[in-house]
Amino acid sequence: EDQVTQSPEALRLQEGESSSLNCSYTVSGLRGLFWYRQDPGKGPEFLFTLYSAGEEKEKERLKATLTKKESFLHITAPKPEDSATYLCAVRAFGNEKLTFGTGTRLTIIP
Amino acid sequence: DAGVTQSPTHLIKTRGQQVTLRCSPISGHKSVSWYQQVLGQGPQFIFQYYEKEERGRGNFPDRFSARQFPNYSSELNVNALLLGDSALYLCASIQPGHIQETQYFGPGTRLLVL
Repeated sequence: EDQVTQSPEALRLQEGESSSLNCSYTVSGLRGLFWYRQDPGKGPEFLFTLYSAGEEKEKERLKATLTKKESFLHITAPKPEDSATYLCAVRAFGNEKLTFGTGTRLTIIP
Repeated sequence: DAGVTQSPTHLIKTRGQQVTLRCSPISGHKSVSWYQQVLGQGPQFIFQYYEKEERGRGNFPDRFSARQFPNYSSELNVNALLLGDSALYLCASIQPGHIQETQYFGPGTRLLVL
């Protein structure tokens, strides 16, 4: 069974303090690893898809990387508006569903 | 272009009642998935439909059912509601068959069962 574990559960950073969120996964043939951002009471907002180990993608202050066992979401010089829960999900070949982790709740303090 | 739309935004029901949630995918997308997200957890897969056919089903009881219409919109039905069905129900719009497939989520329907 596909599994996704995210750490830490919660992270508080000062504005401008860079850090990384971790997503460890086990999947029977990775078709894609997805990062989403979710604000309270709203649906997840798509950020990145990674398909193979070594792949990296960037968007503004966010950079996602992928290895065969885990993915990192690096946040550089974060701003208060980056505060949200960040969700990681995997999809296996031959499977229609996304399997999500429980997320990392990120708070950026001005 | 409009994103994924869901209705209603909020709903309050009592135990034993039935509920129908609705979803319209992004224009041109032919597939939708439904997820349940309990507070503090990640979304859990319920169903996926493509061209009105069920393509996948998660580990949910038969009280949960869904269908997709010719215009690719979808309904999720839950019968005999339990307190534990209280959650955010998310619909995702998908364009399958494309290498860089992505699921785009709607705003969700917040269901509270009393």
